[in-house]
Amino acid sequence: AQSVTQPDIHITVSEGASLELRCNYSYGATPYLFWYVQSPGQGLQLLLKYFSGDTLVQGIKGFEAEFKRSQSSFNLRKPSVHWSDAAEYFCAVGAGQTGANNLFFGTGTRLTVIP
Amino acid sequence: EAGVTQFPSHSVIEKGQTVTLRCDPISGHDNLYWYRRVMGKEIKFLLHFVKESKQDESGMPNNRFLAERTGGTYSTLKVQPAELEDSGVYFCASSLTGRNSPLHFGNGTRLTVT
Repeated sequence: AQSVTQPDIHITVSEGASLELRCNYSYGATPYLFWYVQSPGQGLQLLLKYFSGDTLVQGIKGFEAEFKRSQSSFNLRKPSVHWSDAAEYFCAVGAGQTGANNLFFGTGTRLTVIP
Repeated sequence: EAGVTQFPSHSVIEKGQTVTLRCDPISGHDNLYWYRRVMGKEIKFLLHFVKESKQDESGMPNNRFLAERTGGTYSTLKVQPAELEDSGVYFCASSLTGRNSPLHFGNGTRLTVT
């Protein structure tokens, strides 16, 4: 069965510092991988997705993620964090016949940005 | 285009009462999903509609939950009677047909059962 692990519940970074949020998944074949962000009072917004091809994917708001099959990971990165990036981030995997439709989510990582 | 709309945004009810959540998907999206996040836990799939038909309802917790999608447009999720453990944020999402079509989520309904 599919599963997603986000080992960091809460991360605090200084504005302007780099960021990496970890995500590990469990699935036998090549998964569909996603990062979503939820800002306070908002819904889940898709940051980026990986279906196939280039393992380094670019998303919105300056985020990128790299799919590493050997490590079953899909870590999210940003070179310089802005205060507006404070939010909760969710990694998700979609697999099987339903592809990107039915998703399995991690428990989320809450990002705090300090000035 | 208008996004996925959910209402109410918040609902506080007492144990044993009934609550109905509504979701309006993006126009033209045949797929509609309900997910739920209980505090501090992962977001979990509840069910999936394709147009008006339930494609997969394997995530529905029990028979106190009833989901409908009238005419393949908006959807409702009714909880009757509500229990304390039903508290959480209920998300609706919609997508186009196709395995590569990503989900578009609404802002969620925060349900508190006291």
